[in-house]
This record gives sequence, C-alpha cells and structure tokens, in this order.
Amino acid sequence: AQKITQTQPGMFVQEKEAVTLDCTYDTSDQSYGLFWYKQPSSGEMIFLIYQGSYDEQNATEGRYSLNFQKARKSANLVISASQLGDSAMYFCAQKASGGSYIPTFGRGTSLIVHP
Amino acid sequence: NAGVTQTPKFQVLKTGQSMTLQCAQDMNHNSMYWYRQDPGMGLRLIYYSASEGTTDKGEVPNGYNVSRLNKREFSLRLESAAPSQTSVYFCASIGLAGGLAKNIQYFGAGTRLSVL
Repeated sequence: AQKITQTQPGMFVQEKEAVTLDCTYDTSDQSYGLFWYKQPSSGEMIFLIYQGSYDEQNATEGRYSLNFQKARKSANLVISASQLGDSAMYFCAQKASGGSYIPTFGRGTSLIVHP
Repeated sequence: NAGVTQTPKFQVLKTGQSMTLQCAQDMNHNSMYWYRQDPGMGLRLIYYSASEGTTDKGEVPNGYNVSRLNKREFSLRLESAAPSQTSVYFCASIGLAGGLAKNIQYFGAGTRLSVL
C-alpha cells in the first residue's frame, strides 16, 4: 500500500525567506508521479508542481521547486522568497503511472508566512 | 473553462436527513473521486470511479453511495446523515493521457456540510 508522510504539522517562515516542506513516500510502484497541492484558507485545492519518478531533473514552477531524492523516497517542496500569500496548507500526493487510479495524500503541512 | 463544479457549496442537515452532492467536470476526464477532509486527517477517499460505468469503494465508504451518471457527472449521496459526516467534501477528476504519469488531479471548490 502507498503511504505519504508529512512530518511537519506546522511551519513558520519570514517573508522573503525560503522554506522546505518535507514529504516522504512509500510505494512499490516502478513508475509514479509526485504532486504538491496548496490549500489556502478559502478552501480550494490548487495544483502546484509535479515530478515524475523517471525525470532526471528536479521540477520547478516559478518560486516552487521539488527536491526529488528517489533513493530516499523523498519529494520535498521548496518555496523560495516566501510571500504572505503563501500561507496555506500544503499537501503532498503520489500516484502510480498506470493501473492504479488512486492518488495517496499526506496529512498536510500548515505554512504561515510572517511579515 | 469551468473545470470541476460542485454543488452545493454549503449545506446544513439534521440527523437522518438525506442529500446528494453533485459534481460535474467538463475536461473529458475518465476518473472521478469523492473525498472528505477533516482537520488533521488530510484527504480521505470515499469512492472513486475509474471510468464511466464503474465505481469502487475508497478508504471511508460507509454511509455513502455514489452514482456515475455519465462521463461528466459523479454524485455522492448520504442516505441518512449522521453528525460524524460533518466535513468538507471534495470532488476531483483525473484525465488519462496515454501512458503519461502526469495525470494531474483537479478539484472542485468543496462542499461544507454540517449535520446537526
């Protein structure tokens, strides 16, 4: 069974600083994708970034990057130059590339950005 | 492009009442999902539909039923609501892109349900 672990229930960061949100996963799938979602206080789930298990380079999307360490089964989200609007819940998820249609989500990390 | 549309956004029920949460997607996606989100629990899968005509139980299916009406629509029904079903419910969908792993899951805006 797949499992996603986000060990940081809450994180605090100063505006303009970088922050890393941890995510480890446990899967027997050979080919899979890793995803990060943001959930602001308004409640919607916003897709941020994707990393494929066979991608050689770490994914980047603007200020978001995914630090993918396959051997350690780690997929940490790095937010550079934090902004007040980054305050939200962040969820890590993993899904097999084929066969299984069910993504597995972590319990989330609450990020608060201080001015 | 509306994406995933959920109705209603808010609902208050009394214990024992029934209701149906509606979900529709306009992205021609095959797979659709219903989740509930409770504080500290993340997203828990209630039911999913891998394709039109099929539905399967997820992690927490008890007390719920679903219908995949057509490719676009996937509804969630509470036959006899209980206070334990007070939660935020999300519908989501994923398209299949021919072997690509990048099947992003798109979410509706959520339904806040309170059962008194």
